[in-house]
Amino acid sequence: SQQGEEDPQALSIQEGENATMNCSYKTSINNLQWYRQNSGRGLVHLILIRSNEREKHSGRLRVTLDTSKKSSSLLITASRAADTASYFCATAGPVTGSARQLTFGSGTQLTVLP
Amino acid sequence: DGGITQSPKYLFRKEGQNVTLSCEQNLNHDAMYWYRQDPGQGLRLIYYSQIVNDFQKGDIAEGYSVSREKKESFPLTVTSAQKNPTAFYLCASSIEVLSPQHFGDGTRLSIL
Repeated sequence: SQQGEEDPQALSIQEGENATMNCSYKTSINNLQWYRQNSGRGLVHLILIRSNEREKHSGRLRVTLDTSKKSSSLLITASRAADTASYFCATAGPVTGSARQLTFGSGTQLTVLP
Repeated sequence: DGGITQSPKYLFRKEGQNVTLSCEQNLNHDAMYWYRQDPGQGLRLIYYSQIVNDFQKGDIAEGYSVSREKKESFPLTVTSAQKNPTAFYLCASSIEVLSPQHFGDGTRLSIL
């Protein structure tokens, strides 16, 4: 089952602009992770935010997490053409029980125009 | 450099044939995973293994089988029982369950 759902499905911006992608989920989580996938390649891990954290930064990436709304956002600042890719959120369920795995959303396709 | 190697990059299956996708990692990770990705879709978990000689079904295990005889290797067999096998298959590994996953570059399986 897919718990994380990204919004929008596709986003097209000009180079230098900021890109914001959102992820909503349904059940409690241990952590939430964002990944990037270039066309025809495997996924690359970008950033992990734990359920007790509200914001995290890594270079031009900023991730927020609102557990009360069960949502997260990924902000890419000063975008570059090389940022063109699909971006996925993945929720890591509670450590106990059957949810000992990541559940990926369907992704946001980001296109950065030069 | 440590990483995950998937082979082959492209694979073709005939009707009624079983095919095996290879996945090898030299990251010394305990956990390994197999995902299926259909065009424009996210990843769906087929099988995962937390430790050698142990593996668990994911959301879409029917028509697939795996083995985990060595820590480094987690091959996936797509059996003839999988009626719609055309997809992009991704293997991943992590230090432990729920940790960030490292991915291979995938195998694209098509039906002849």
